[in-house]
Amino acid sequence: GAGVSQTPSNKVTEKGKYVELRCDPISGHTALYWYRQSLGQGPEFLIYFQGTGAADDSGLPNDRFFAVRPEGSVSTLKIQRTERGDSAVYLCASSFRAGRTSQDTQYFGPGTRLTVL
Amino acid sequence: SQELEQSPQSLIVQEGKNLTINCTSSKTLYGLYWYKQKYGEGLIFLMMLQKGGEEKSHEKITAKLDEKKQQSSLHITASQPSHAGIYLCGAVRYFGNEKLTFGTGTRLTIIP
Repeated sequence: GAGVSQTPSNKVTEKGKYVELRCDPISGHTALYWYRQSLGQGPEFLIYFQGTGAADDSGLPNDRFFAVRPEGSVSTLKIQRTERGDSAVYLCASSFRAGRTSQDTQYFGPGTRLTVL
Repeated sequence: SQELEQSPQSLIVQEGKNLTINCTSSKTLYGLYWYKQKYGEGLIFLMMLQKGGEEKSHEKITAKLDEKKQQSSLHITASQPSHAGIYLCGAVRYFGNEKLTFGTGTRLTIIP
């Protein structure tokens, strides 16, 4: 079946602009995660959704970053007043949460490469 | 300092040779994931280890989690060009904590 998809694959914007990054999780997956990966580093956690609600947003770097998942499926990561330091690959992952009895594997999308000029 | 240290940072191996990548945590782990990443692509799930002493294999890749659950190794037997990429370990700190903490990765190059 289809994996996690992310759009756009590449986004170039100017400093100060607003951007939206979209994630389509695997069908049936109730948990959705956003990570950010800078060059030469491992991914860093940003936010996690269980259903429609943000269960853990402790990784969001500041209030310029916001994410929504209004219907419990597609999620949008929104970045206001972009800065050059926001340039990175933004990765989305999803997992099937059958209940709090086991850890579920996170499956990753191909990422969106954001470049802020 | 990093919570998860991977070694080596990069590795160049001749095709057909065996190799090992290590992942060491400064804290006890609940679960340890291994992923592979190719340039411009997302992470491909390889294996997940949860119990101390656990060992799992998939094709020519074997991963182990030590008894004290603070270190894992990934071993590739008879390496092939398709094994080239960046290998990342990711840790879940405790049950119910959903976020993965990743190491910085090991870049593996296979030469003919």
